[in-house]
Amino acid sequence: GAGVSQTPSNKVTEKGKYVELRCDPISGHTALYWYRQSLGQGPEFLIYFQGTGAADDSGLPNDRFFAVRPEGSVSTLKIQRTERGDSAVYLCASSLKGTASSYNEQFFGPGTRLTVL
Amino acid sequence: QQQVKQSPQSLIVQKGGISIINCAYENTAFDYFPWYQQFPGKGPALLIAIRPDVSEKKEGRFTISFNKSAKQFSLHIMDSQPGDSATYFCAASKTRNAGNMLTFGGGTRLMVKP
Repeated sequence: GAGVSQTPSNKVTEKGKYVELRCDPISGHTALYWYRQSLGQGPEFLIYFQGTGAADDSGLPNDRFFAVRPEGSVSTLKIQRTERGDSAVYLCASSLKGTASSYNEQFFGPGTRLTVL
Repeated sequence: QQQVKQSPQSLIVQKGGISIINCAYENTAFDYFPWYQQFPGKGPALLIAIRPDVSEKKEGRFTISFNKSAKQFSLHIMDSQPGDSATYFCAASKTRNAGNMLTFGGGTRLMVKP
């Protein structure tokens, strides 16, 4: 079956511009995660959705970052007034809903490489 | 505060050898410890994972060793192959709001020489 897809694969923008990054999770996965991976580092958690609602947005670095998932499937990460430090690979992952005693594997997409000039 | 520390940053192993990657964590609330493999241009993919009530887990050539008292865990790749050349990340997770947000280590770039 289809895995997690992300578009675009690459995005080049200028400092100060607005960008949107899209994630299409695996069908039936209610949990969706966004991570940011800077060059040579491990991914860092940004935000987690359970269904349509953001259950945990503690990883968002500041209020320029915002994400939505209006119908509980596709999610869009939005970055306003981009800065050069926002340059990174933005990864999306999806999984089945977890419980207090279980862990469900997160399946990652290939990421969107964002470059802010 | 770096909650999961990983070493070494890079590793070169001969084909057939054993690759060993180590991680240490700080937060005792973590309750799940996966290892991910990432190839260039791809997202991370789950390799193997362990819960803290188990000291060792083996799947094929991959083994996780877990030391709860020391807050350390490691990945052993037996009979390493050139196709294992990739970046490996340890991670830790604490279930919260029915989600499992992952905290990753810094990664280890493994090269297996033929």
